[in-house]
Amino acid sequence: QIQLVQSGPELKKPGESLKISCKASGYTFTDYAMQWVKQAPGKGLQYMGWINTQTGKPTYADDFKERFVFSLETSASTAYLQINNLKNEDTATYFCARDYSGDVYWYFDFWGPGTMVTVSS
Amino acid sequence: NTVMTQSPTSMFISVGDRVTMNCKASQNVGTNVDWYQQKTGQSPKLLIYGASNRYTGVPDRFTGSGSGTDFTLTISNMQAEDLAVYYCLQYNYNHTFGAGTKLELK
Repeated sequence: QIQLVQSGPELKKPGESLKISCKASGYTFTDYAMQWVKQAPGKGLQYMGWINTQTGKPTYADDFKERFVFSLETSASTAYLQINNLKNEDTATYFCARDYSGDVYWYFDFWGPGTMVTVSS
Repeated sequence: NTVMTQSPTSMFISVGDRVTMNCKASQNVGTNVDWYQQKTGQSPKLLIYGASNRYTGVPDRFTGSGSGTDFTLTISNMQAEDLAVYYCLQYNYNHTFGAGTKLELK
């Protein structure tokens, strides 16, 4: 069955960096792009962007064009989210989601469980 | 940027109710809208894609409608397991989520 397994919770200090993983199984990794979504505590979903798993090309939403890096390890069917120079406002749960984009429709059909990141001095 | 405005922010409902929530786009997005359900402590789940298409396995009490700038998600015969926050997402101009509508028990 299709699964996205994310790495465990992180506790970091401001200014540090971290790298979250999202390991896919049950399908051909390069057939579907991977999306990333942020959810701050008690808040709604915020779209971060996506990475093309065939080319490795990332696309970032406006609020995530600095300090955020999407990458891949295709041989391991794994997508990564790196956040540099962490700030308190990066405290959130980060979700990866498989992207289905067809000729007409576009949706996120499978989601990881989320990785909780806490940034605190 | 396309802003998606969801209303109401929250609703107090009873089991068996018919529930209607709305999502308004700041510009025409055609039918390029999905709806997601997020229960407490869980990741979101896809309910509706392309404004009105029910995803595999989603009960038929969930119905999506609308086009252009105005979209609606209706739950007929609300069940206790439907208590959640519901988000719309447009993908006509990049992607933007609405702020969500939270369903709570009366």
